[in-house]
Amino acid sequence: GQQLNQSPQSMFIQEGEDVSMNCTSSSIFNTWLWYKQEPGEGPVLLIALYKAGELTSNGRLTAQFGITRKDSFLNISASIPSDVGIYFCAGPAGGTSYGKLTFGQGTILTVHP
Amino acid sequence: EPEVTQTPSHQVTQMGQEVILRCVPISNHLYFYWYRQILGQKVEFLVSFYNNEISEKSEIFDDQFSVERPDGSNFTLKIRSTKLEDSAMYFCASSASMSASYGYTFGSGTRLTVV
Repeated sequence: GQQLNQSPQSMFIQEGEDVSMNCTSSSIFNTWLWYKQEPGEGPVLLIALYKAGELTSNGRLTAQFGITRKDSFLNISASIPSDVGIYFCAGPAGGTSYGKLTFGQGTILTVHP
Repeated sequence: EPEVTQTPSHQVTQMGQEVILRCVPISNHLYFYWYRQILGQKVEFLVSFYNNEISEKSEIFDDQFSVERPDGSNFTLKIRSTKLEDSAMYFCASSASMSASYGYTFGSGTRLTVV
């Protein structure tokens, strides 16, 4: 089945630094979703991307849908302690699996004050 | 903001016992899902449910698992005879759209520990 690979697996940064993480796939995705999961909570949708090349922002977060449709990037500017969590990329499984999401393994972000 | 509610937040059960995990999806949503996350791993699809029947299930969702919408508000996941490897966070999600492209709303999860 489809697999999403995220890198890096984890990041330890100082407050105020910018963060960049990415997600790649061996197959084409028509939608890229970025979720954040805080400890003890379920994933929360941050940004959705629907078009190759699209660049979308949500506050300090910016995500891009790669031109090849096989990758996506998430950037966080001027990180703050509440950015801590696990960031997942996800995409619809495709074919007849309209409702199913495939998730990457996540990037764990730690922000030191 | 509407939310998906899951109970209990944490369940400990003995191997071989049956467990029922409960979810109250967002009231006007029609599509319901269960996902699982083993500690430290990615979120994995278990099953999708629409119009009172399973739309799709993964290979994880074997005969030990079942889902039900017993009334107009609850959506349950039952594991008939739990195994140690069933220990995980179980997330319920709901959506107004059939397509996953718009994302879903996830609940906070039930942490299942099988001992």
